[in-house]
Amino acid sequence: GNSVTQMEGPVTLSEEAFLTINCTYTATGYPSLFWYVQYPGEGLQLLLKATKADDKGSNKGFEATYRKETTSFHLEKGSVQVSDSAVYFCALPMNYGGSQGNLIFGKGTKLSVKP
Amino acid sequence: DVKVTQSSRYLVKRTGEKVFLECVQDMDHENMFWYRQDPGLGLRLIYFSYDVKMKEKGDIPEGYSVSREKKERFSLILESASTNQTSMYLCASSLGLAGAAYEQYFGPGTRLTVT
Repeated sequence: GNSVTQMEGPVTLSEEAFLTINCTYTATGYPSLFWYVQYPGEGLQLLLKATKADDKGSNKGFEATYRKETTSFHLEKGSVQVSDSAVYFCALPMNYGGSQGNLIFGKGTKLSVKP
Repeated sequence: DVKVTQSSRYLVKRTGEKVFLECVQDMDHENMFWYRQDPGLGLRLIYFSYDVKMKEKGDIPEGYSVSREKKERFSLILESASTNQTSMYLCASSLGLAGAAYEQYFGPGTRLTVT
């Protein structure tokens, strides 16, 4: 079945530093890929997605490119802010296609940004 | 905006008690999910439902049951709470449409402590 692996944290950066959080996957076919974010005290929310190979998802200054050659979907941001401190989850569908929406989540990477 | 609400943010129960966790969404979503989130283990799916009165087991259903009598409400029941069920519980919902189904909307979570 499908699976996802993301880098373990925690990651601590200074404000304005460059961020990369690695995510690799194994999957049947070419499913959509997602990054979710969980801010302190909140539930998860969708940050960005890519629906096909070479697609780049972007939101709030974050980007991730769907690389089928390396089966990766790394999250990047050029200049992080204190407000980006959160836990980030990479995710992909449990099964290809369908309307039930089951996702497999990575274990999460905690990011702390210091002023 | 989609809103997913959970009945309690914090809950303390005693071992052996029957516990009800309620989740309500206001966007007419077909799919609803219950997860538990534990440090180092990420999110694990307990149960999900893709329609009223329908339910499917997730990865860790033991010790839990669910009820979905109305489309907007999905309840998680701990029949006899145990200390190893101390955790953060997250509810989510999504549309029952291919593609959109994977865009899950989460509630803020219920932190349950069983003593």
